[in-house]
Amino acid sequence: DTGVSQNPRHKITKRGQNVTFRCDPISEHNRLYWYRQTLGQGPEFLTYFQNEAQLEKSRLLSDRFSAERPKGSFSTLEIQRTEQGDSAMYLCASSLMAGASGNTIYFGEGSWLTVV
Amino acid sequence: GDSVTQMEGPVTLSEEAFLTINCTYTATGYPSLFWYVQYPGEGLQLLLKATKADDKGSNKGFEATYRKETTSFHLEKGSVQVSDSAVYFCALRGDTDKLIFGTGTRLQVFP
Repeated sequence: DTGVSQNPRHKITKRGQNVTFRCDPISEHNRLYWYRQTLGQGPEFLTYFQNEAQLEKSRLLSDRFSAERPKGSFSTLEIQRTEQGDSAMYLCASSLMAGASGNTIYFGEGSWLTVV
Repeated sequence: GDSVTQMEGPVTLSEEAFLTINCTYTATGYPSLFWYVQYPGEGLQLLLKATKADDKGSNKGFEATYRKETTSFHLEKGSVQVSDSAVYFCALRGDTDKLIFGTGTRLQVFP
């Protein structure tokens, strides 16, 4: 068990550019989550997948954001036409399929995005 | 909707002091409750959890008891160390199957 892996860990981009983050969940975890965290705040839910199906998207996820999990394993989060307000840490997490809400959700170390 | 409220920080303590970080929640149904810890520049690590009323979660000297009657899940530790300095997040996972977090409480422990 190598844990949830995210890359890149840090990304600095110019406003208007596109960026993509990748997440590799813990193997056999069929739930995968994306969260966003800004300084001094708790993580905010963006979206989650069960296998390859995207089950829920937050209203925070504007049309410029898209997430995929094409084969039910790794996932990508793309932000198009970045804005300074997109600067945040993007956290990926995974868990076993729900059935018990007590299943632990494990987080990666996050991908820091700075839009200049 | 579901929500979590934590006491604001920072909480500043001397080493070996007693720690309490308050957490209350609002939820439909019977959520599971969690405490996560975040060290500077890192992601979130699960500290402890409780899945039903009156359960006590514990880990590394930290404890929290799921109190349904007061909708609370306060975090406690009898004797804090400098290495406990971090941000602590209370969270719930309910019917919507995603974690809902509080805003976090920064703990600073000085020798």
